[in-house]
Amino acid sequence: GQQLNQSPQSMFIQEGEDVSMNCTSSSIFNTWLWYKQDPGEGPVLLIALYKAGELTSNGRLTAQFGITRKDSFLNISASIPSDVGIYFCAGQLATGTASKLTFGTGTRLQVTL
Amino acid sequence: GAVVSQHPSWVICKSGTSVKIECRSLDFQATTMFWYRQFPKQSLMLMATSNEGSKATYEQGVEKDKFLINHASLTLSTLTVTSAHPEDSSFYICSARDPKMDSYGYTFGSGTRLTVV
Repeated sequence: GQQLNQSPQSMFIQEGEDVSMNCTSSSIFNTWLWYKQDPGEGPVLLIALYKAGELTSNGRLTAQFGITRKDSFLNISASIPSDVGIYFCAGQLATGTASKLTFGTGTRLQVTL
Repeated sequence: GAVVSQHPSWVICKSGTSVKIECRSLDFQATTMFWYRQFPKQSLMLMATSNEGSKATYEQGVEKDKFLINHASLTLSTLTVTSAHPEDSSFYICSARDPKMDSYGYTFGSGTRLTVV
């Protein structure tokens, strides 16, 4: 099935640094979602974006819905050790409860002290 | 918030046997649930859409006779891996969305790690 391309694939940063990652698609989506997955767990929703150009924050996290509707980015400010994990973007075309999500390839984040 | 529970969290089975994984929406009713498979260091790949009271919809390349899905109630969907083989070893995750919630985000279960020996 289709996957969205995320970059970088992985990153090692120091505690306190800011992090940026992005997600691109060859097709448009009407909703962009960002999830974090810890080892051995299911993904947990971080931010949901509903409109092109929208910029949304959730604590130290900020995400934007690209104007073209084909991309999105996620920023994490002042990273802390518990930010370690895999971050996935996901695109959704329709909005009903039966609408499928298409996931990105993931960005693995490691935070060093 | 919406809670999705998966059981078991891990299972080891012998090659050739069948394994059933349960996915429950604890505080909402879900007419649709989704089953994903995730191999190590890879992303989530949608396997099938589980529809309450009707047949599941499988993604291309997923064998419906091998991965049996039953969604007999509005709060329970089951995935049965039949005649499991080592290549079926993976992390299986279900998800659903509470229609009462404003966010379009889906809630995921905590996953089931299947190891076939």
